[in-house]
Amino acid sequence: GQQLNQSPQSMFIQEGEDVSMNCTSSSIFNTWLWYKQEPGEGPVLLIALYKAGELTSNGRLTAQFGITRKDSFLNISASIPSDVGIYFCAGQPGAGNNRKLIWGLGTSLAVNP
Amino acid sequence: DGGITQSPKYLFRKEGQNVTLSCEQNLNHDAMYWYRQDPGQGLRLIYYSQIVNDFQKGDIAEGYSVSREKKESFPLTVTSAQKNPTAFYLCASSQISGANVLTFGAGSRLTVL
Repeated sequence: GQQLNQSPQSMFIQEGEDVSMNCTSSSIFNTWLWYKQEPGEGPVLLIALYKAGELTSNGRLTAQFGITRKDSFLNISASIPSDVGIYFCAGQPGAGNNRKLIWGLGTSLAVNP
Repeated sequence: DGGITQSPKYLFRKEGQNVTLSCEQNLNHDAMYWYRQDPGQGLRLIYYSQIVNDFQKGDIAEGYSVSREKKESFPLTVTSAQKNPTAFYLCASSQISGANVLTFGAGSRLTVL
């Protein structure tokens, strides 16, 4: 099936650093979602974006819906050890049968205290 | 609290055996999904259902079967025809109106011995 291009694949950073990751697609989306998955658990929704240009924050997390509707990024400021996990982006092309989400392969984040 | 419950969390089975993974939700969501997760491959859709007594194949349905007899329940059977069943299985649900924002269960890890 179709997949999003998510980068970087992995990151190893020092506590306190800022983190940036992004997802790109060759087709447009109506919704972008960012999830975090901790080891052995299911993904948890961090931020949902619903229109082009939208910039949304959730604590130290900020995500944006690209104006071309083909990309999105997630920033984490002042990282802490509990930010460790895999971050997934997902896009929804449209309604009806296009409600199925398209997923990125994830960005694995490690934080050195 | 509303949520999705998957059971069992860990399951071992011998080759040639069928096994059924349970998924129950009390979010009053109409749509339910099963994903398979392997290291480095992200989330792959197995089956989904948008209404009771109806379901559709996802991208990797071969070797799996589902039923949707009740709105709250969407069990997945991993049959002996699935060539490589060892994986982490995630159940999710969502509303069928508006954006397709998924809520996930905690996952079930199946290991074939």
